[in-house]
Amino acid sequence: RKEVEQDPGPFNVPEGATVAFNCTYSNSASQSFFWYRQDCRKEPKLLMSVYSSGNEDGRFTAQLNRASQYISLLIRDSKLSDSATYLCVVISLLGSYIPTFGRGTSLIVHP
Amino acid sequence: SQTIHQWPATLVQPVGSPLSLECTVEGTSNPNLYWYRQAAGRGLQLLFYSVGIGQISSEVPQNLSASRPQDRQFILSSKKLLLSDSGFYLCAWSVDRVPYEQYFGPGTRLTVT
Repeated sequence: RKEVEQDPGPFNVPEGATVAFNCTYSNSASQSFFWYRQDCRKEPKLLMSVYSSGNEDGRFTAQLNRASQYISLLIRDSKLSDSATYLCVVISLLGSYIPTFGRGTSLIVHP
Repeated sequence: SQTIHQWPATLVQPVGSPLSLECTVEGTSNPNLYWYRQAAGRGLQLLFYSVGIGQISSEVPQNLSASRPQDRQFILSSKKLLLSDSGFYLCAWSVDRVPYEQYFGPGTRLTVT
């Protein structure tokens, strides 16, 4: 079983739609969680950290469910510019703090 | 503010040639540094990480090596490139405290011919 799993998609949605991605992780010692955004042929960029209480940044909401070992990202009112690949990242704070990246979920927002 | 630089941006090299990619970070001290490779259509593969000068840990055995000659400089090298070394090479840094979020450089796109 992969340590961090994401549905690769693509998720193809119209502008204005709400879309949600899930990411599951297998290491119960995981303590830090993030969502990154990667545009085609560009470097990943930190979108938001994910906190136990959940957090919101504008149209983006991230949630953490420790019991079921998954994190989610909700995008409301999708824009064309939201089209990208969204990477889930998990870090265990035991040992070397090496992040584990999911392979990403592709989002395509169309007019 | 912190900035991370990588060069070159693109590189085309023949099989068997050497490689040297450089990454430097500005605006922070004693960062954790990482090298990743992303093959076309694939996820990020961690190659090396470093928690300090001269301290390199390898995640995947291969014909690549890394060095950290200065606090904010990280170099990825190879003596002889293979076709399979083609990919998008990304350098990243993180602070040495929770939550250890990473910040990536712009990357080097390497094509081995």
